[in-house]
Amino acid sequence: QSVLTQPPAVSGAPGKRVTISCTGSSSNIGARNDVHWYQQLPGTAPKLLIYGNDNRASGVPDRFSASKSGTSASLAITGLQAEDEADYYCQSYDSSLSAVVFGGGTKLTVL
Amino acid sequence: EVQLVESGGGLVQPGGSLRLSCAASGFTFSRYWMSWVRQAPGKGLEWVAYIKQDGSQKYYVDSVKGRFTISRDNAKNSLYLQMNSLRAEDTAVFYCARVDTRDTDFDYWGQGTLVTVSS
Repeated sequence: QSVLTQPPAVSGAPGKRVTISCTGSSSNIGARNDVHWYQQLPGTAPKLLIYGNDNRASGVPDRFSASKSGTSASLAITGLQAEDEADYYCQSYDSSLSAVVFGGGTKLTVL
Repeated sequence: EVQLVESGGGLVQPGGSLRLSCAASGFTFSRYWMSWVRQAPGKGLEWVAYIKQDGSQKYYVDSVKGRFTISRDNAKNSLYLQMNSLRAEDTAVFYCARVDTRDTDFDYWGQGTLVTVSS
């Protein structure tokens, strides 16, 4: 069981909008530790998408956005494209565990 | 261009040892915290360890404490992970990752090296 909880899968039609949630607790996201998001295309290494809760990494299109509130965070993807089909992971730091923690990952399917 | 290239993975028997290496280029290696992150087959990402710029601070996930040792050689722009007492559950792709100076994210990743622990 991951410390950060993500839905296993989400899907959406091309051009539509999807959101991926990341739920934590008072010892990680709720402790004001930043949340970061990664995209992992099939068979490749993860790639940084969003850092510091809501900042897009270099070269990431503005179709990707993220936010954080309380003990949760979310990633939104608008104008879905076939190339967005990938696994998405949230990441934070857990102050109680003194460890970096990841969500279990969410598989995005573009219908 | 930032590049991280891992090597050293392979098949090892339970209880055995393996040393992973990560060759860094395209940035001033000595200025960054570095980390290892692993991914078991078909599973999610798990942080393993990270090390401060000068090697003076090291942190590990509980499941590898006492078995794995992270180290670095700034003169060689290299990161290492010495893995001892390997278990079947350590089977994974191990990624070398650079820790962002702006925050606590991993801004660059290597392509990974597969470690398989099996008899």
